[in-house]
Amino acid sequence: AQSVTQLGSHVSVSEGALVLLRCNYSSSVPPYLFWYVQYPNQGLQLLLKYTTGATLVKGINGFEAEFKKSETSFHLTKPSAHMSDAAEYFCAVSVAGTASKLTFGTGTRLQVTL
Amino acid sequence: DAGVTQSPTHLIKTRGQHVTLRCSPISGHKSVSWYQQVLGQGPQFIFQYYEKEERGRGNFPDRFSARQFPNYSSELNVNALLLGDSALYLCASSLDTGSGANVLTFGAGSRLTVL
Repeated sequence: AQSVTQLGSHVSVSEGALVLLRCNYSSSVPPYLFWYVQYPNQGLQLLLKYTTGATLVKGINGFEAEFKKSETSFHLTKPSAHMSDAAEYFCAVSVAGTASKLTFGTGTRLQVTL
Repeated sequence: DAGVTQSPTHLIKTRGQHVTLRCSPISGHKSVSWYQQVLGQGPQFIFQYYEKEERGRGNFPDRFSARQFPNYSSELNVNALLLGDSALYLCASSLDTGSGANVLTFGAGSRLTVL
């Protein structure tokens, strides 16, 4: 079975500061990793995904994440936070043959202050 | 293009009642998945259907059931509602099944409150 741990349920950054949201995964087979964002009263929107190949993945809205197998991590970063980035962020894992079953972390709420 | 649409958006039920939630996938998507998101937690996988057949089931009781229709739309049914069933129910569609690299596109959800 796979699992995801998101460190920090709430993260607060100033506008223009670096955003770093942490995600560690557990999987006995090569994982597929995802970051989703959820704005209030909305569904989940895919930010980026890692399947195979390049370990540094670029997504939408200036976000990127790096797959580090040795650290079992897939942290999400953005060089400069914007007010519109305030939302809930979820890391998720799946593996081949699991029929669209994503295992999500508990989420990190990002607050961006002036 | 229309995204994943879910109905109703909000509903209130009482304990013991039954509820049906509906989902229309993106055109061309044959796979539909259902997730339950309790307040303050990440979504949890309930079911996945592909070509009208169940392809996966999460750790939910038999009170939860689902089906997929020939037009690939789907229904999630929950019987004998409990207070703990209060949650946001998310539907997601994707092109195919079998690959963990599927990109799921989520709807906005149906928020169920059980009193």
